[in-house]
Amino acid sequence: RKEVEQDPGPFNVPEGATVAFNCTYSNSASQSFFWYRQDCRKEPKLLMSVYSSGNEDGRFTAQLNRASQYISLLIRDSKLSDSATYLCVSPGYSSASKIIFGSGTRLSIRP
Amino acid sequence: EAQVTQNPRYLITVTGKKLTVTCSQNMNHEYMSWYRQDPGLGLRQIYYSMNVEVTDKGDVPEGYKVSRKEKRNFPLILESPSPNQTSLYFCASSAGQRRNSPLHFGNGTRLTVT
Repeated sequence: RKEVEQDPGPFNVPEGATVAFNCTYSNSASQSFFWYRQDCRKEPKLLMSVYSSGNEDGRFTAQLNRASQYISLLIRDSKLSDSATYLCVSPGYSSASKIIFGSGTRLSIRP
Repeated sequence: EAQVTQNPRYLITVTGKKLTVTCSQNMNHEYMSWYRQDPGLGLRQIYYSMNVEVTDKGDVPEGYKVSRKEKRNFPLILESPSPNQTSLYFCASSAGQRRNSPLHFGNGTRLTVT
């Protein structure tokens, strides 16, 4: 099992819709997670940090479910500009500090 | 402005010709890392560094070298590039010691080896 797994999508939803996708992780000792957004051929950019109680920032909500070992990202009232690939990231818990990326979920918002 | 700077943005080279991709950060970050990104494979870690003179292999280190002589710089060296190293490369840094420290990425280097 991969350490961090995401549904690759693509998710194709109409503008204004609410969309959610999950990321599962295998290391139960992981403490914090991040969602990054990556536009085509550009660098990943931090979207949200995800801590134990979840996090909300405008239209975006990130939740952590420790019992089932997944994190979720919810986007409300989606905009055309939300079209991107969303990467789930888990900082490694070992002393080596390996940082594990999911392979990303592609989201496409249509007019 | 806090940033991670990679150079060059685009590079086309031939097999076997040594090259270096530079990476510099101005945030006094301890942790720096190199990734390559290929279609269908996501971001894969090549090497990382916890601090000056401390480097370690990631998932795909073969064919690459790194050095960390100063805190701000973390160059990626391809001693003898091969076509399978054609990829999009990202350098990243973070404060490192705190688990909730996110990564900051450079703009990327698109390398083509013919």
